[in-house]
Amino acid sequence: EADIYQTPRYLVIGTGKKITLECSQTMGHDKMYWYQQDPGMELHLIHYSYGVNSTEKGDLSSESTVSRIRTEHFPLTLESARPSHTSQYLCASAMSNSYNSPLHFGNGTRLTVT
Amino acid sequence: QKEVEQDPGPLSVPEGAIVSLNCTYSNSAFQYFMWYRQYSRKGPELLMYTYSSGNKEDGRFTAQVDKSSKYISLFIRDSQPSDSATYLCAMSVVGSGTYKYIFGTGTRLKVLA
Repeated sequence: EADIYQTPRYLVIGTGKKITLECSQTMGHDKMYWYQQDPGMELHLIHYSYGVNSTEKGDLSSESTVSRIRTEHFPLTLESARPSHTSQYLCASAMSNSYNSPLHFGNGTRLTVT
Repeated sequence: QKEVEQDPGPLSVPEGAIVSLNCTYSNSAFQYFMWYRQYSRKGPELLMYTYSSGNKEDGRFTAQVDKSSKYISLFIRDSQPSDSATYLCAMSVVGSGTYKYIFGTGTRLKVLA
């Protein structure tokens, strides 16, 4: 089982609140990703990072921001939560090498915005 | 058109059956192919990965890649009720310093005892 941890597992929060979803990995992976997953839909890339102080927006950055101050830590922040942000958020990481490497996922944060 | 197409199912099979899960893709630049299993309320768990055409076997699971047809499959032999989950295919391409992963929508599998 991959060593990638997400907290909280479940979060219910009111509209307009600022929230941070935590993600940490102990594998020393340089590449880290945030995905949004809705039932029956493909995973949508929100943000990604190829290393410390490197962050990029994905296809669905949706008013969120990320930071990568340490290799192992890649938190996602929603400045003002909205009901449309209700979803499952998955963090993933992969090794950096000259070939592709598979993604390893955490167990996700299920967010409900009321 | 989506870059990766996957039948969402649900697919119901009796215990012991051979299951075939499939994905097609349109981008010939995809180089790396992965299969994930996702149980309810959990993150996707990596099952198998390969970067070449042909078959790769791991226990009851066989991953098959046909790059000429842009088609990948996952076979599960002697399926068990514990195999009931959603199976996601994923593909990746490297280019210009970017590492891009594209996922199918997932196929829900139910193995009946």
